[in-house]
Amino acid sequence: DFQMTQSPSSLSASVGDRVTITCRASQDISNYLAWFQQKPGRAPKLLIYAASTLQGGVPSRFRGSGSGTDFSLTISSLQPEDFASYYCQQYNGYPPTFGQGTKVEVK
Amino acid sequence: EVQLVESGGGLVQPGGSLRLSCTTSGFIFNGHWMFWVRQGPGKGLVWVSRINSDGSETRYADSVKGRFTISRDNAKNTLYLQMNSLTAADTAVYYCARGGPYSNNPWDYWGQGTLVTVSS
Repeated sequence: DFQMTQSPSSLSASVGDRVTITCRASQDISNYLAWFQQKPGRAPKLLIYAASTLQGGVPSRFRGSGSGTDFSLTISSLQPEDFASYYCQQYNGYPPTFGQGTKVEVK
Repeated sequence: EVQLVESGGGLVQPGGSLRLSCTTSGFIFNGHWMFWVRQGPGKGLVWVSRINSDGSETRYADSVKGRFTISRDNAKNTLYLQMNSLTAADTAVYYCARGGPYSNNPWDYWGQGTLVTVSS
């Protein structure tokens, strides 16, 4: 199986902060990496796919990077609506797998 | 507008069965792989099952293999998940998600989820 190790599991930040979440795959997944945002009681929302391609309608403050086994999601200037949980996912290897999630909380 | 709406969740006793539905609209359903994902209380996202666009290929997570069956009715634009021999470990919110025309396309739209609670 392709294991996805995401860190940190939680972080505290303030509005305006730059936030970075990392995700490491146990095997080379090329760029088949997506990032999702999930708010309590809501469905996951696709933010980024192909490691660095912004899904339509997603603000440009979200940026994805990486390839192979090491990836990151950066929020350049955290906004109030960005406090949520974030998950990475590899969608090429079988089975598709998610990271454990990162909860971004108010500092 | 793309929409996915799950239904069929509820309270079921251990050993029981449920059939989830994911009714879709706003896109050409038979052109997309479809997926089921679940999320236990306070837990992360876990892939459950997938089906290709014409329903000829299905795969399952080891935890549900032999108990769950994914299917689709392309005439009704609907995805299904038949769940049998349910245990407390299956308690979760179940989401359907839309893939692309290939198995390695990103999952771009998700339903709002339906809660399955397995308890006596």
